[in-house]
Amino acid sequence: EADIYQTPRYLVIGTGKKITLECSQTMGHDKMYWYQQDPGMELHLIHYSYGVNSTEKGDLSSESTVSRIRTEHFPLTLESARPSHTSQYLCASSPGDTQYFGPGTRLTVL
Amino acid sequence: GESVGLHLPTLSVQEGDNSIINCAYSNSASDYFIWYKQESGKGPQFIIDIRSNMDKRQGQRVTVLLNKTVKHLSLQIAATQPGDSAVYFCAEKTSYDKVIFGPGTSLSVIP
Repeated sequence: EADIYQTPRYLVIGTGKKITLECSQTMGHDKMYWYQQDPGMELHLIHYSYGVNSTEKGDLSSESTVSRIRTEHFPLTLESARPSHTSQYLCASSPGDTQYFGPGTRLTVL
Repeated sequence: GESVGLHLPTLSVQEGDNSIINCAYSNSASDYFIWYKQESGKGPQFIIDIRSNMDKRQGQRVTVLLNKTVKHLSLQIAATQPGDSAVYFCAEKTSYDKVIFGPGTSLSVIP
């Protein structure tokens, strides 16, 4: 069982607010990922990191930003939330090839 | 372009029957494949994986088959149970160390 945590699990906010979605893992994995997923649909990679101070954009264009100051922590920030950002955000970490996912944050922007 | 896709978006099976979920991939250079199970409101959970130098791998009640000739991957679940109801994703790792997820198949188990 992978130890990867995401907070909050659910978030409802108004348009224009700045939000940070937290992701932490206690396994010492170098690789971490953020995915966006609409209900019942495929996962879209929006950011990834291969280690401290390493961040890259994924396949899906996103207005979010990430940081990787510590191995165990990979927060995702939206400077100004919009209704189009409503989705589920999944964080994952990996020691190599297999990714282990957190429970997700369901974000609703009104 | 690279893509991983599932043949069927939904699958309904009777409890106790075997389930087969299929996946097609397009990148012949992919060397690692994973099946994930995602229950409602949760993140994907690793089920089983297989490397490209293998054709078959078995776990507890699950078997993954890889046919590199036709670029096809399948997940077989034996004696399907209500707890198996979920969305199943296949994923491939390409030669560029990139993991691509398919669109998902929703499995419903009929009691």
